[in-house]
Amino acid sequence: GENVEQHPSTLSVQEGDSAVIKCTYSDSASNYFPWYKQELGKRPQLIIDIRSNVGEKKDQRIAVTLNKTAKHFSLHITETQPEDSAVYFCAASLSGGGADGLTFGKGTHLIIQP
Amino acid sequence: EAQVTQNPRYLITVTGKKLTVTCSQNMNHEYMSWYRQDPGLGLRQIYYSMNVEVTDKGDVPEGYKVSRKEKRNFPLILESPSPNQTSLYFCASSLSTGAYNSPLHFGNGTRLTVT
Repeated sequence: GENVEQHPSTLSVQEGDSAVIKCTYSDSASNYFPWYKQELGKRPQLIIDIRSNVGEKKDQRIAVTLNKTAKHFSLHITETQPEDSAVYFCAASLSGGGADGLTFGKGTHLIIQP
Repeated sequence: EAQVTQNPRYLITVTGKKLTVTCSQNMNHEYMSWYRQDPGLGLRQIYYSMNVEVTDKGDVPEGYKVSRKEKRNFPLILESPSPNQTSLYFCASSLSTGAYNSPLHFGNGTRLTVT
């Protein structure tokens, strides 16, 4: 089955700086890569996703890049703000956009230092 | 309001006492799933259901049962809970399997403690 590795497990950055979280996946047939944000005590919520026919996708301060050859994808957050503090999960799926078969990474705890 | 509702939010029980965590969605979603979240291990899938009367094992199904008699409900059953099932549980649903633009919606979670 699919295996998703996520790094780092904890990331501390100064407010205003950029943060990058990286994930690798094992199954080259995976074609859907969502990112979820989980604030303390709350449920995970989708923040951005990318499909294998796209190399990069942006939404305001967040962006995701995908390198299919290397089988890795990354989340980039620019101009970080206190409300960006959360646990971020990457995931990979073979289903092309549906949620079935999602394999999650172990999560990255992002800490924004004031 | 479109949502996934889990109950209870918190549950403390003793080893061996059967319990059920309910999950209901009001979005007419075909796909439903249960995850457990443990520190350092992320979200691990327990069971999932592609549609009514169709369920399948995820990565960590041991000690759990599910049923999908109706489209909206997907209860998680622990027949004989053990302390290693102490965890944070999330139910999730999505519109359909394999569909474009069909993200996963999570419930608010159930924190279970088994003593």
